[in-house]
Amino acid sequence: SQTIHQWPATLVQPVGSPLSLECTVEGTSNPNLYWYRQAAGRGLQLLFYSVGIGQISSEVPQNLSASRPQDRQFILSSKKLLLSDSGFYLCAWSGDNDQPQHFGDGTRLSIL
Amino acid sequence: GESVGLHLPTLSVQEGDNSIINCAYSNSASDYFIWYKQESGKGPQFIIDIRSNMDKRQGQRVTVLLNKTVKHLSLQIAATQPGDSAVYFCAEKERKSSYKLIFGSGTRLLVRP
Repeated sequence: SQTIHQWPATLVQPVGSPLSLECTVEGTSNPNLYWYRQAAGRGLQLLFYSVGIGQISSEVPQNLSASRPQDRQFILSSKKLLLSDSGFYLCAWSGDNDQPQHFGDGTRLSIL
Repeated sequence: GESVGLHLPTLSVQEGDNSIINCAYSNSASDYFIWYKQESGKGPQFIIDIRSNMDKRQGQRVTVLLNKTVKHLSLQIAATQPGDSAVYFCAEKERKSSYKLIFGSGTRLLVRP
């Protein structure tokens, strides 16, 4: 069966520091991969998606970037975090565009 | 995980009763719909999906109904249990979109023992 892992589960970072969140998927090949952010009491906002290695599409202009160095690895990064980057970040995968997306358990990011 | 906000619509039901959670969507071009359950501290969990060529689909204790005329989606949970307490999100995908799910703002379900 397929599994998705995100780490770390929680992270506290100072303003201006770099960020790297990692997501890996097991049990499938060539998945679509997604990064979302969820603000408190809100739905999910799509940040990035990827259909293959090195292929990244950005949904909203922001202080973050994404990379896909391997088929089942998706990384969310920032060079300098802002206070507004605080939130709950979720990684997801799907088999293709017409199948449900399956989520990891997220990273709670707090910026001080 | 991210704690849900205080201003989410909330449905409170007695354990054992049936629950109905509603969702309105705005895009008539949407052809695929999904319900997710999110418990505190976790990511959303897939419950059930339905495509626009259907108006009803059943799973284990759950039923999704789709009314395309009024652009309304509902999730029915039979014999609601304490473990069903969570925030429930509907999501829609536009027919011509290759990847993008649009999520609703969520409904909190509280099950009273």
